[in-house]
Amino acid sequence: QKEVEQDPGPLSVPEGAIVSLNCTYSNSAFQYFMWYRQYSRKGPELLMYTYSSGNKEDGRFTAQVDKSSKYISLFIRDSQPSDSATYLCAMKPGNTPLVFGKGTRLSVIA
Amino acid sequence: GAVVSQHPSWVICKSGTSVKIECRSLDFQATTMFWYRQFPKQSLMLMATSNEGSKATYEQGVEKDKFLINHASLTLSTLTVTSAHPEDSSFYICSAAPAGRRMNIQYFGAGTRLSVL
Repeated sequence: QKEVEQDPGPLSVPEGAIVSLNCTYSNSAFQYFMWYRQYSRKGPELLMYTYSSGNKEDGRFTAQVDKSSKYISLFIRDSQPSDSATYLCAMKPGNTPLVFGKGTRLSVIA
Repeated sequence: GAVVSQHPSWVICKSGTSVKIECRSLDFQATTMFWYRQFPKQSLMLMATSNEGSKATYEQGVEKDKFLINHASLTLSTLTVTSAHPEDSSFYICSAAPAGRRMNIQYFGAGTRLSVL
């Protein structure tokens, strides 16, 4: 079992839809959880950062962490064509490098 | 804030030559920097972790003599691909972790596309 599992998609939604992206993990020591957005041939851009369990909202984006289920989610409301990208979940226990999911390719169709 | 600049964005070189890629944290000090490699439609593969003033720690299977990493200051790390060959062609991305309370967040550069002919 991989440490971080993420459905690679592709996921295609109409403009304005709510998008739900998810990752599961196996290492209960993970404490720091991040979501990155990566456009083609660009570096990952940090979208959301959460420490331990809970929800965090930033504009159209909401990140949720459920440590009891080892499950994290990213919700995108009112999705736009400009949201079309690969979304990577990443996590770590502490002062160690991030462990990444494979990334989910999202297409928002106008 | 938290901008990481990476140069060049694209480099083409002949087989056997060396290529240097720079990674700078522009508005913060980075005690730790990371170098990743990414193949098309795949996730990031960690190559090495470097701490300022120390030797880099390489991941298993990464040749330290081929991928030379220098982290000479709190804002600059370099990756040199020595004697590059076509199989080294890839997308290389650096990442930096700020000192202080945000040390567990990694910010990424825009990446460097290396093509070895």
